Amino acid sequence: ETGVTQTPRHLVMGMTNKKSLKCEQHLGHNAMYWYKQSAKKPLELMFVYNFKEQTENNSVPSRFSPECPNSSHLFLHLHTLQPEDSALYLCASSPGTSGRGYNEQFFGPGTRLTVL
Amino acid sequence: AQTVTQSQPEMSVQEAETVTLSCTYDTSESDYYLFWYKQPPSRQMILVIRQEAYKQQNATENRFSVNFQKAAKSFSLKISDSQLGDAAMYFCAYRSWNTGNQFYFGTGTSLTVIP
Repeated sequence: ETGVTQTPRHLVMGMTNKKSLKCEQHLGHNAMYWYKQSAKKPLELMFVYNFKEQTENNSVPSRFSPECPNSSHLFLHLHTLQPEDSALYLCASSPGTSGRGYNEQFFGPGTRLTVL
Repeated sequence: AQTVTQSQPEMSVQEAETVTLSCTYDTSESDYYLFWYKQPPSRQMILVIRQEAYKQQNATENRFSVNFQKAAKSFSLKISDSQLGDAAMYFCAYRSWNTGNQFYFGTGTSLTVIP
């Protein structure tokens, strides 16, 4: 496999469920990101990991819990979500987070999450 | 935080024609990077073109080119010889040189290509 993959592609869950989203990158990058994409809104950065260490948490509610066991894998654990959390969740990776260099992000296909 | 504005929620273009998507941003920094990403329906977001702020020459990638106006804080995307496969959401993005782990995205422009 190449690039950035995400599973599952679609997820429907109740507010009391616990589920996890998985992201894997095959690009040898050191940084990984979680974004929330909602219609007519800019992408919302949720978390940033660089060399497995969390470097950003943009005031994300605790019902979203990230995990980064290594530079190639990123998880987003979900519990007691709300209907307003329904969105497309995108994972991305980049070579690093240094200011120098483009360090453009490569995105996965996303997980379409619906919370009932 | 920097803000990125895409004032055109929707645009359309005839196949083989040229279209320009606008993007403006707000920053007090002098060094930064700008990007255009394309997100086709139900498909992955991919990078279209990128530009470094200190490079005055506008970036080009085949049929895609940008008009970068640093003083005006404007970064528009021109698509020449539009093809049906160009139909997608286009997002403008800004990355700071100082805080490299933060990308700021606009709200996107939905481009329709008319056969």
